[in-house]
Amino acid sequence: SQQGEEDPQALSIQEGENATMNCSYKTSINNLQWYRQNSGRGLVHLILIRSNEREKHSGRLRVTLDTSKKSSSLLITASRAADTASYFCATDDGFQKLVFGTGTRLLVSP
Amino acid sequence: DAMVIQNPRYQVTQFGKPVTLSCSQTLNHNVMYWYQQKSSQAPKLLFHYYDKDFNNEADTPDNFQSRRPNTSFCFLDIRSPGLGDAAMYLCATSSWEVRPYEQFFGPGTRLTVL
Repeated sequence: SQQGEEDPQALSIQEGENATMNCSYKTSINNLQWYRQNSGRGLVHLILIRSNEREKHSGRLRVTLDTSKKSSSLLITASRAADTASYFCATDDGFQKLVFGTGTRLLVSP
Repeated sequence: DAMVIQNPRYQVTQFGKPVTLSCSQTLNHNVMYWYQQKSSQAPKLLFHYYDKDFNNEADTPDNFQSRRPNTSFCFLDIRSPGLGDAAMYLCATSSWEVRPYEQFFGPGTRLTVL
């Protein structure tokens, strides 16, 4: 299976702390994306990093990509209770499809 | 606002009773996807349409079918729902020529099978 794996599976932190989640994948990619899913809702696209990029920022999000290790990390700085959600990495299959990772459930406590 | 809409948000059906879930979009995207997501799992792609071209995943059960009568609408038909089909069903769209790979998701339909 192409499915990526994320760790940790669950992460619990306090507001104001940073949250880091990691994604590993198996095949070569054109890009890697991160999505957020609030409980019982659809996924929301957060950020896309191309295979020739090593780091990308968007607001409080920082994504890194290491294609030699087939891994990526998502850092959320100064977390808020509203960041509580599941976070999925997704890689493309070279066509029109995405393969999602197993997800990290983030809980940010006030 | 341009968006992806799914109806109903919650659907309850009986074992073996056909059910249809609907998805509409105002984004004018040419690709539409249906995913199944079970509790605490990643979304699993069932099939997708690139314009009118239908692409079925190899492991999608025959019990699941789809229709896309026009650019805006896409339907998921479950012919004989089993207890194992209880899940969240997510519709997503993308504009392959403009912003490939990025997908826009609807809020999902939670299917319960009794």
